[in-house]
Order: sequence, then C-alpha cells, then structure tokens
Amino acid sequence: KAGVTQTPRYLIKTRGQQVTLSCSPISGHRSVSWYQQTPGQGLQFLFEYFSETQRNKGNFPGRFSGRQFSNSRSEMNVSTLELGDSALYLCASSYGTGTPQETQYFGPGTRLLVL
Amino acid sequence: DAKTTQPNSMESNEEEPVHLPCNHSTISGTDYIHWYRQLPSQGPEYVIHGLTSNVNNRMASLAIAEDRKSSTLILHRATLRDAAVYYCILPVRTSYGKLTFGQGTILTVHP
Repeated sequence: KAGVTQTPRYLIKTRGQQVTLSCSPISGHRSVSWYQQTPGQGLQFLFEYFSETQRNKGNFPGRFSGRQFSNSRSEMNVSTLELGDSALYLCASSYGTGTPQETQYFGPGTRLLVL
Repeated sequence: DAKTTQPNSMESNEEEPVHLPCNHSTISGTDYIHWYRQLPSQGPEYVIHGLTSNVNNRMASLAIAEDRKSSTLILHRATLRDAAVYYCILPVRTSYGKLTFGQGTILTVHP
C-alpha cells in the first residue's frame, strides 16, 4: 500500500499571499488530519475531516481552512499568510473510527516558508 | 487528553537496549497508550500501542505498569536509525483524529 503523500514538499510564499496544500491518504482511509509543527509550539492539531465533513478542529484562526473530497483527498488553505505561519505542515490518515486504539499514518509534510 | 510526562532527552549506545519512560498518572480506564516517533526531517510514525498488558511488535515492546500510571517503551537493540523524538500519547475516545503531542524525548544513539 502506498503511504500518505503530500504536495508540494517545499513552498516559499510572501506575507499576505495564500497557499493551498494537498494530502492524499492511504487507500481505504477516510479520515485526514492536519497538523502544524514549529520549533516553538511543537506539533499542533489543526483539524480533521471524515467523509467530506470537518469533525474536529484545533485552536487556530479562521485563516486556516480545509476541505475533503469524495475520494478522501484533502486540502488545507492558509489565507493572508503571516511570518509565523512558516512551519512544517503534516497530514495524517486513518480509517476514522474515532476509537482510542486507532493509529494514524503521517505523510512527509510540506515545509512552508513565509518571507 | 490525559497529560503525559517524558524526560526531555536520553542517550544510548548502538546495539544496547533503551528504556524510554512515560508517566501518565491521570490515565482513565479506557485510555490507550500510544507511542509515535519522529525521525529527523520526517513525519511522525506509529511505533506501538497498548491498553493494559505488555505488547510486542517488530519495532519495540511496550511495558505497562500494573496501575497503568506509567509505561516504558523498550527498544531491544538500538541502532543509529532509532535516533528520533519519541512521543507518548493517550488519545481520548472522541478525539476524532486529534493526537496531542507533548515535547517528547529526544533519543540520541551513539555509535
């Protein structure tokens, strides 16, 4: 089985621009979660999508949004980029059962640099 | 999520066993204990998880204390490839995709 893929792997943007990141989950997985990783804050949960619906959301401003398509692929969008949005953005996929024993499988991440 | 406490860093020599501790004194009866690790420049990867009894897989073993307030991830023979940040996580039942990562333990493996 192919793993979780994320595109692009690297991205450079300037303040005020917007960016869209893409995540393709493992075949058969219906849940996609997004995380932001920075040196100062560590790994933080952004949101989770299951069957095209957002089921859970972290504590991030409305500039961060996402969506999921019928094939379970997901995109996240960040509008009006700020310098502090520079980070590694990770997505993870799972079957989406929501049970505490469920494991997540992470992609390699997209490294975003905002200048 | 129940709070977990891990040492900031640990060191080991190659081919020696490594015991990575995690304290979770507020664990509830239905909380599973998960371990993930993140190698340099990669996304986190699942290592192992358990509920009450000890667990083994090809990567590691998980030893869970009888009162479940602590657990230990055991790497039987550390290799240089095991150098990573190790996270102990207790996902809640209705977390729906949310894993709460702490600072983890940075494991350094010396050749």
